[in-house]
Amino acid sequence: EAGVAQSPRYKIIEKRQSVAFWCNPISGHATLYWYQQILGQGPKLLIQFQNNGVVDDSQLPKDRFSAERLKGVDSTLKIQPAKLEDSAVYLCASSQGRWRGMNTEAFFGQGTRLTVV
Amino acid sequence: QQPVQSPQAVILREGEDAVINCSSSKALYSVHWYRQKHGEAPVFLMILLKGGEQKGHEKISASFNEKKQQSSLYLTASQLSYSGTYFCGTEKAYKLSFGAGTTVTVRA
Repeated sequence: EAGVAQSPRYKIIEKRQSVAFWCNPISGHATLYWYQQILGQGPKLLIQFQNNGVVDDSQLPKDRFSAERLKGVDSTLKIQPAKLEDSAVYLCASSQGRWRGMNTEAFFGQGTRLTVV
Repeated sequence: QQPVQSPQAVILREGEDAVINCSSSKALYSVHWYRQKHGEAPVFLMILLKGGEQKGHEKISASFNEKKQQSSLYLTASQLSYSGTYFCGTEKAYKLSFGAGTTVTVRA
């Protein structure tokens, strides 16, 4: 089966500019995650969708970040305006959903490496 | 809340064993383990449910003690291919959060 697709792979922007990332999860996967991974750190959950509803967005800086999941399939993550500290890899992951009350394994995309200068 | 992993890093020679620990201050329902190689996406290793179960993936196994809110990953007879950063993911109210990771370097 096809994996999680993300684009672009790399992006360089100046601070205060805006940027958008796109994610196409594995077909049929109900759960979609966006993580921010700063170099040398673990992935930090920004937002988690279950179909097209938000499960958690408590760590999403809502004054500058926004995300949506269209019709419960593709998702976009936007940053506007970007700051230097937003430089990181943005990982999208998806999973089938829930089994025995827990999330099933997450499949990650290759990520988008964002550099803010 | 993110789980806490230890140690931060470990260096092994081929054939040696290592243990990576993951703990949480909150009650856990399940623990996920992933491995990430440099410049690549994290790859799933295994999920453990509460109930003290153990699982294995090649010579990598794990245990989960929900009473202690801890999980341990065991690397047995390590191979060069085991090098990478290992992350535990804990689930609370369906939210999947990861620890800071443990970097494992296996040398010949």
